[in-house]
Amino acid sequence: QVQMVESGGGVVQPGGSLRLSCAASGFTFTRYALHWVRQAPGKGLAWVAVISDDGNNKYYADSVQGRFSISRDNSKKMFHLQMNSLGTEDAAVYYCAGALPRNGIEMWGQGTLVTVSS
Amino acid sequence: QAVLAQSPSASASLGASVKLTCTLSGGHSNYAIAWHQQQPDKGPRFLMRLNGDGSHSRGDGIPDRFSGSSSGAERYLTISSLQSEDEADYYCQTWGTGFWVFGGGTKLTVL
Repeated sequence: QVQMVESGGGVVQPGGSLRLSCAASGFTFTRYALHWVRQAPGKGLAWVAVISDDGNNKYYADSVQGRFSISRDNSKKMFHLQMNSLGTEDAAVYYCAGALPRNGIEMWGQGTLVTVSS
Repeated sequence: QAVLAQSPSASASLGASVKLTCTLSGGHSNYAIAWHQQQPDKGPRFLMRLNGDGSHSRGDGIPDRFSGSSSGAERYLTISSLQSEDEADYYCQTWGTGFWVFGGGTKLTVL
């Protein structure tokens, strides 16, 4: 059974940092590109970042470029999102997700909440 | 970069059918998309991949009440025999080299 489980969310002050993690199971981890998608309160889904199946390619939304960093650990079947210089606009539920190369997202985690507040 | 347009809301009666639309723009009218469902207070769920020629492949466990079709730059999600649990937000998503984009979502109300 496919499972993707996020962790690491919480409350952080503006300008602070947070590291999200996603633990995956039930599928061939190394075949999949891995994404982070966020959803601000009452808003729609917004793509944040992706790392390719081999880890060699990473792409970011303009809104997080230079502040967020995505990484993966194939040996542990986990991937991460390091978020720095957080602003109130980054407050959202963050979902991890998986997709085969050159395909849309086909699996989702349940989300972890990030609150940015002083 | 492709942009995806969705109507903000739709409604249909219990047991009826509804057709939701996602329109591609930015010269990407032949792109494939994915449809995702998000029930209230839940995470998203992948429904299907939908190609420009209308062929589609549903995710695991997705009933055949959910089907997809395409016409030009428009991608459709048809839900037949509507059930109360189909009341949800529906998002389309597309992708290309270096970009992944979601539509704004359609909130479906089952009357």
